[in-house]
Amino acid sequence: AQKVTQAQTEISVVEKEDVTLDCVYETRDTTYYLFWYKQPPSGELVFLIRRNSFDEQNEISGRYSWNFQKSTSSFNFTITASQVVDSAVYFCALSGSGGVGGGFVFGPGTRLSVLP
Amino acid sequence: KAGVTQTPRYLIKTRGQQVTLSCSPISGHRSVSWYQQTPGQGLQFLFEYFSETQRNKGNFPGRFSGRQFSNSRSEMNVSTLELGDSALYLCASTLAPSSRGNTIYFGEGSWLTVV
Repeated sequence: AQKVTQAQTEISVVEKEDVTLDCVYETRDTTYYLFWYKQPPSGELVFLIRRNSFDEQNEISGRYSWNFQKSTSSFNFTITASQVVDSAVYFCALSGSGGVGGGFVFGPGTRLSVLP
Repeated sequence: KAGVTQTPRYLIKTRGQQVTLSCSPISGHRSVSWYQQTPGQGLQFLFEYFSETQRNKGNFPGRFSGRQFSNSRSEMNVSTLELGDSALYLCASTLAPSSRGNTIYFGEGSWLTVV
């Protein structure tokens, strides 16, 4: 079975601080995909990044960067120089053939509060 | 390019009633998935439709059903509502079945309250 764990329930930072959101996943699939989504109070999940299991190259996109390590089954997400607008709940998700019914498996989410 | 559109956004129903929620995917997307989000269980996969056929189904009772039309629009139905069905129901769309690793794009959801 697939599982996604986000150990951090809530994080508070002051604006301009860097913040890293942790994600640990479990899967028996050899090919799988990892995602980060952001959910503002409006409810819509906004896609942020996607990574496949055979590409461990870590990248930076604007203020976002991610660290994918297969050896530790982790897919951490970092926001550099956080802003108040980054306040939201962030979800890590896993997609592969081993998911329940084949859908995405989401972690419980991390609520990020960026204080001015 | 219009995003995923869900209607209605908010609704209140009484126990025992049924409800139908609608989802219009991003233009050109043929796969529609539905997810339930509750404070206790988080985000859970309900089912996925592709080309009018249900491809995948999560662990939900038969009271939860769905369908997809030829224009890729989808509806989900919950019959005999229970208090525990109160949730945010999210629809997501993508070009091909989501199990192939495609990014799914979500709508704003339908907030259902059962009283």
